[in-house]
Amino acid sequence: AQSVTQPDIHITVSEGASLELRCNYSYGATPYLFWYVQSPGQGLQLLLKYFSGDTLVQGIKGFEAEFKRSQSSFNLRKPSVHWSDAAEYFCAVGGTSYGKLTFGQGTILTVHP
Amino acid sequence: DGGITQSPKYLFRKEGQNVTLSCEQNLNHDAMYWYRQDPGQGLRLIYYSQIVNDFQKGDIAEGYSVSREKKESFPLTVTSAQKNPTAFYLCGTKTQGADNSPLHFGNGTRLTVT
Repeated sequence: AQSVTQPDIHITVSEGASLELRCNYSYGATPYLFWYVQSPGQGLQLLLKYFSGDTLVQGIKGFEAEFKRSQSSFNLRKPSVHWSDAAEYFCAVGGTSYGKLTFGQGTILTVHP
Repeated sequence: DGGITQSPKYLFRKEGQNVTLSCEQNLNHDAMYWYRQDPGQGLRLIYYSQIVNDFQKGDIAEGYSVSREKKESFPLTVTSAQKNPTAFYLCGTKTQGADNSPLHFGNGTRLTVT
């Protein structure tokens, strides 16, 4: 069975500081990995995705993520956080089995001015 | 503009009543999904459909039903058998079920049952 763990429920950073959100997954084959962002009361927006190839993937809004197979991790990073990045972030894992995505519990990001 | 429309945005019902949430898409995607979101639990899959007139149960299908009579539409009915229906419901679509394309989401419907 596939699963995703986001160890941090809530993270607070200062504006301009760097950010790393952790994601660990369990999947029997080569996973497809995604990061989504959700503003309050809204749907989810795709930040970036990993399928194969270069393990460092670039996304929208200046985010990047690195796939580390040996650690079963797909952590999301941003060098300098902006106040508008405050939101909830979800990591998801899937494969070719009917496109089912399994989501982590989410990490709420608060940005202090 | 192509997109996924969920309506209504807010829905209130009395306990014991069935309620249907709408999801319409004009992205020409084959696969459609319903997820339920509760605080601290992420998203959990209720039902999904890869093609018209076919759908499968997800992880938490009890108390829910769906239909897929048209490619564009995948309504979700929350029945009175669902023990804890108050939640945020998200509809998603992707080009095909068994490929690596990402899920796209609507803006959700918040259902409150009292």
